[in-house]
Amino acid sequence: KNEVEQSPQNLTAQEGEFITINCSYSVGISALHWLQQHPGGGIVSLFMLSSGKKKHGRLIATINIQEKHSSLHITASHPRDSAVYICAVREYGGSQGNLIFGKGTKLSVKP
Amino acid sequence: NAGVMQNPRHLVRRRGQEARLRCSPMKGHSHVYWYRQLPEEGLKFMVYLQKENIIDESGMPKERFSAEFPKEGPSILRIQQVVRGDSAAYFCASSLVSQGTRSYEQYFGPGTRLTVT
Repeated sequence: KNEVEQSPQNLTAQEGEFITINCSYSVGISALHWLQQHPGGGIVSLFMLSSGKKKHGRLIATINIQEKHSSLHITASHPRDSAVYICAVREYGGSQGNLIFGKGTKLSVKP
Repeated sequence: NAGVMQNPRHLVRRRGQEARLRCSPMKGHSHVYWYRQLPEEGLKFMVYLQKENIIDESGMPKERFSAEFPKEGPSILRIQQVVRGDSAAYFCASSLVSQGTRSYEQYFGPGTRLTVT
């Protein structure tokens, strides 16, 4: 069993829909990252959080430490949101760079 | 402020040759991380360095792989005697100075796609 599980693996949505991507992890963590990998391969850091909720534009990330679960929400989705979304955790006691990655959720938003 | 830079973007090597991948962190960042993404697989941590010091190399293969981040110049990930299984995308990221257990956002480079023929 992977230490970081994401669901769904693949997601197709219509433009304008509200999207939720889930991440569950099995280890104690000190931080959780959400990353976006573009079709061309480049990676952008979206959020880093250790508690509560963060919002940036149409993106919202939440984390529940007790339940070991995080969600990434996209409101009013757009075709340009099509990408792979990756959850990664820094295990408690681990070094800052030693992240454990989920396998990603491939999102396709249709116009 | 230029982002994290990696070169080359694409590298083709024959089996047995050496591959050198370079990473220049964002200005002001002194911590560098290397990750590998094998085809159809997720990202895996390789090594974490600061200037002239390896902080965590627990993800590095035991043989043929090495990394450095000298006082001057870019960080280098070196793969000796490459094999076909080394074909992957190698990403570098950088962050601000680490203080204790606090985590900092990482900024990723565009990656180097290594193909071993």
